[in-house]
Parts: sequence; C-alpha cells; structure tokens
Amino acid sequence: GENVEQHPSTLSVQEGDSAVIKCTYSDSASNYFPWYKQELGKRPQLIIDIRSNVGEKKDQRIAVTLNKTAKHFSLHITETQPEDSAVYFCAARLGYALNFGKGTSLLVTP
Amino acid sequence: DVKVTQSSRYLVKRTGEKVFLECVQDMDHENMFWYRQDPGLGLRLIYFSYDVKMKEKGDIPEGYSVSREKKERFSLILESASTNQTSMYLCAIRLGGDYGYTFGSGTRLTVV
Repeated sequence: GENVEQHPSTLSVQEGDSAVIKCTYSDSASNYFPWYKQELGKRPQLIIDIRSNVGEKKDQRIAVTLNKTAKHFSLHITETQPEDSAVYFCAARLGYALNFGKGTSLLVTP
Repeated sequence: DVKVTQSSRYLVKRTGEKVFLECVQDMDHENMFWYRQDPGLGLRLIYFSYDVKMKEKGDIPEGYSVSREKKERFSLILESASTNQTSMYLCAIRLGGDYGYTFGSGTRLTVV
C-alpha cells in the first residue's frame, strides 16, 4: 500500500513567522493530496488539497506545493497566528482510501 | 453540508465484549471508511466500503469486521474487544470526485 512520511513531528514558531510541513509518498499512482487540521478534541478538518496535475495551490495564508517527480508535497503557512496551533496531517489517495502521515503538532507562540 | 454522525462520543467496554460502532451519513455517498487514531501513529485505515454490502480491508483489519447493509450506515464491529483496541475511532466519507473526505466527530473507546 501507500506509505506517507511526514516531518517534522513537532514544530514551534513565533507568531508572524512561517511554518512548513513536508510529506513524501511512495506510490507514484497517488493522485490527490489533502491536508487536515485537527484541533484538540475535534475531528480533522480539510484545510487545503491539491490534485496530481497541479503544482501549487494557495488559499489566503496557506499554500501547498507538489513535486510529482520527487514524490513530495509541502504545506506552507505564512504569518502564523496562535489559532493555527493544532495537529496537521498530510494524506495521499491511492485507489479509494486516504493514507495519512503521522501528523505534525504545530505550536504558535505569541 | 453533509453530516457524518457517530453514535457514541465515549464508550467503555470490558475485555471480551462484542462492540458495535455506528456511523451514519445523511446523503448518498458511496465510499465510507473507518480509521483508528492513536498518538504518534496518525490515522490508520481499518476497513472501507465502496458500496452497499461491499467492503475492503485496510492496513489494520485484524480484530475488526464491518457491516454495510444500507448505504447510509457503516458499522465497525470488534468481535472480542481487547485492551489494545482502546483508541479513537473516526468514520469518514468521500464526497465524490475530488471534493475531499469528511470525518465524523469520533468515538473514544476504552476497553478495560
């Protein structure tokens, strides 16, 4: 099956700085790459996604880039705010199901 | 917006009990999934279903089974609960095309 590696596992930044989370996947047939944000005690929520035919996508302060050749994709958060503190999961779809990375715990300190 | 409802938010069961976790959607989506979430391990796929009565094993199906008799309901069954099945269980549906996946609010199961 698909194997998704996510780094780093924890990330601490100061408010206003940028945060970058990186993921790699193993199967070149994966074609859809979403990112989820999970706040404490809540369900994962989709924040941005990218298809395999697109290299970059941006939505306000968040952006995702995809390098199909290298089989890696990244989440970029600019001008971080304390409310960005959460666990972030990357995922890759192969067939029907999403395969998730192990998560990155992001802490934004004021 | 589609609604994904998991019947119990918290559940405590005894070792050896048969446990049913229910997930219900309020629309007509074909693909439904059960994930297990543990700290440091992310979300791991247990089983999924791509239509009524159709099911496929995920990465960690051992000790679990599923049932999908109606399109809107997907049940996860722990045949004989064990302490290592203490976890957060998340149901998800695929919204079709490339519109992402939506999760239920989760069931935190403790097996004692």
